[in-house]
Amino acid sequence: DTAVSQTPKYLVTQMGNDKSIKCEQNLGHDTMYWYKQDSKKFLKIMFSYNNKELIINETVPNRFSPKSPDKAHLNLHINSLELGDSAVYFCASSQRGQGGYGYTFGSGTRLTVV
Amino acid sequence: QKEVEQNSGPLSVPEGAIASLNCTYSDRGSQSFFWYRQYSGKSPELIMSIYSNGDKEDGRFTAQLNKASQYVSLLIRDSQPSDSATYLCAVSQGTYKYIFGTGTRLKVLA
Repeated sequence: DTAVSQTPKYLVTQMGNDKSIKCEQNLGHDTMYWYKQDSKKFLKIMFSYNNKELIINETVPNRFSPKSPDKAHLNLHINSLELGDSAVYFCASSQRGQGGYGYTFGSGTRLTVV
Repeated sequence: QKEVEQNSGPLSVPEGAIASLNCTYSDRGSQSFFWYRQYSGKSPELIMSIYSNGDKEDGRFTAQLNKASQYVSLLIRDSQPSDSATYLCAVSQGTYKYIFGTGTRLKVLA
């Protein structure tokens, strides 16, 4: 009964390809996020969705396109992958998007672009 | 200036000692503060949250917040080798965003 599940866990692909990462949460949270963690462990927010509505787009290249079909799902599609996109991508969710509630993270997707 | 700063470590403490982890932040409007623990190859796990000045204790963990000094800390009492991990400080920025520090790597020596 995973609370926030991401697929796939590992993704190895060539430069220029397009790939998607899926995320689902069963916590009843109404806010979901995508974070990117680089090789130095720095977690940087990419997107935030509240009730399927995009709230934050943190100057992410438009090759990255999130989609939230409902408040339990937030997917990330990446076009024309570049070497610099290699990182671990974490999906997370929280209740009501209030600053007072911590995140629950998914297990992460390790993306390697070769 | 980074928005949330942590010493990257590693911070090495002997088993049974108190580990003290520190974090400073730049946004005076931040209202919520969190500590996450991340084991190598795993996702961050929320261990403490604190919202008002002072101390908050939960088992072996104590979070301390001083908004005037823009400082938040985490104390781990009776440190165990299983506490060895990277500890991430996160600070709210507005309603829908947390900013993370780069984390402090803690090593508890048996």
